[in-house]
Amino acid sequence: GDSVTQMEGPVTLSEEAFLTINCTYTATGYPSLFWYVQYPGEGLQLLLKATKADDKGSNKGFEATYRKETTSFHLEKGSVQVSDSAVYFCALSVNGGTSYGKLTFGQGTILTVHP
Amino acid sequence: DTEVTQTPKHLVMGMTNKKSLKCEQHMGHRAMYWYKQKAKKPPELMFVYSYEKLSINESVPSRFSPECPNSSLLNLHLHALQPEDSALYLCASSQEGGRNNSPLHFGNGTRLTVT
Repeated sequence: GDSVTQMEGPVTLSEEAFLTINCTYTATGYPSLFWYVQYPGEGLQLLLKATKADDKGSNKGFEATYRKETTSFHLEKGSVQVSDSAVYFCALSVNGGTSYGKLTFGQGTILTVHP
Repeated sequence: DTEVTQTPKHLVMGMTNKKSLKCEQHMGHRAMYWYKQKAKKPPELMFVYSYEKLSINESVPSRFSPECPNSSLLNLHLHALQPEDSALYLCASSQEGGRNNSPLHFGNGTRLTVT
């Protein structure tokens, strides 16, 4: 079956540090890949997405590249801010069939950024 | 601001109560979803409606009863819940379930406590 594995957290960084959160996946078919972010007390927000190999998703300074050869979709940001403190979920969705956009989530990574 | 609105934000109910969670979106999306999220865990899919018809029920107990009165509204009726059903219940919508992996837009959730 489909699965997503994220690096275990929590991750604690100082402001302006470089961030990497690793994500690898296994999937039947051709998945689309997503990063969602959940701020305290809120629902999930789509951060970025990529729908095919070598696509790069980017938003708010975050980037992730769809690497089919390594089945990875690592999240990176060059300089984190305190406001980036949240839980980050990597997810995939397999196109077509009866999946109806069903998302398979990783376990989530808690990021805390200190001033 | 989220474009998926959920009410109420918080709900406390006894095990003999009947209550309903409501979700509304006005983005013209044709797929709507209910997810359950326990603390520090990823969301778990419960139900999917596509074009106002129930298309996925992830073996959810019958004490949870979904309803989709029209393409903009999604309800979750609750009856005879157990304390372990306490969680954050998230509603989501997407343009069209399944075929093109359109991303899900989440509401901020209803925090449910069963006493």
